[in-house]
Amino acid sequence: ELKVEQNPLFLSMQEGKNYTIYCNYSTTSDRLYWYRQDPGKSLESLFVLLSNGAVKQEGRLMASLDTKARLSTLHITAAVHDLSATYFCAVVTGGGNKLTFGTGTQLKVEL
Amino acid sequence: NAGVTQTPKFRVLKTGQSMTLLCAQDMNHEYMYWYRQDPGMGLRLIHYSVGEGTTAKGEVPDGYNVSRLKKQNFLLGLESAAPSQTSVYFCASSPGTGGTQPQHFGDGTRLSIL
Repeated sequence: ELKVEQNPLFLSMQEGKNYTIYCNYSTTSDRLYWYRQDPGKSLESLFVLLSNGAVKQEGRLMASLDTKARLSTLHITAAVHDLSATYFCAVVTGGGNKLTFGTGTQLKVEL
Repeated sequence: NAGVTQTPKFRVLKTGQSMTLLCAQDMNHEYMYWYRQDPGMGLRLIHYSVGEGTTAKGEVPDGYNVSRLKKQNFLLGLESAAPSQTSVYFCASSPGTGGTQPQHFGDGTRLSIL
């Protein structure tokens, strides 16, 4: 059974600071996704990572994938308040493109 | 372009009642999914479908049934609601085999069982 662990679960940081969210998964997978969820809202896709060493960047967020270590990171550069949200990683498992989600990291960026 | 639409958005049920949640997508996607989201547990897959007329169990299928009679619709049924089924339910869709596009999510249905 695939297990996906994220840490930290909660993260409070000041504007302008850098930080990294980690996503570990227990079995081989060929795809990993990062999603963002604002309170009471739906999930918004941020990145899809397909291969070892893949790196994607959008604004202040950068995601990377190490398939050998079964680890993905989401790095936040010079955080701003608008990045406050819950971030999920999700790993494809088995047929049907099924996703197994991590428990999420609730990020709060203080003004 | 509406994407994935879920109805209703909110519902309160009494224990033992039944109801159906409707998910509709207008992107001609082959695959559709139902998840539940509970605090501190991320999203867990209930059932999914890889095409019209097909359904399969996910991680937490007990107490739920699904049907996919039309490609664009995926229905989630609760036969006899229990308080443990109080949750936020999300429907999602994706293009299908060989694609790398992310799943697209609806806005969710907030369901309370009293």
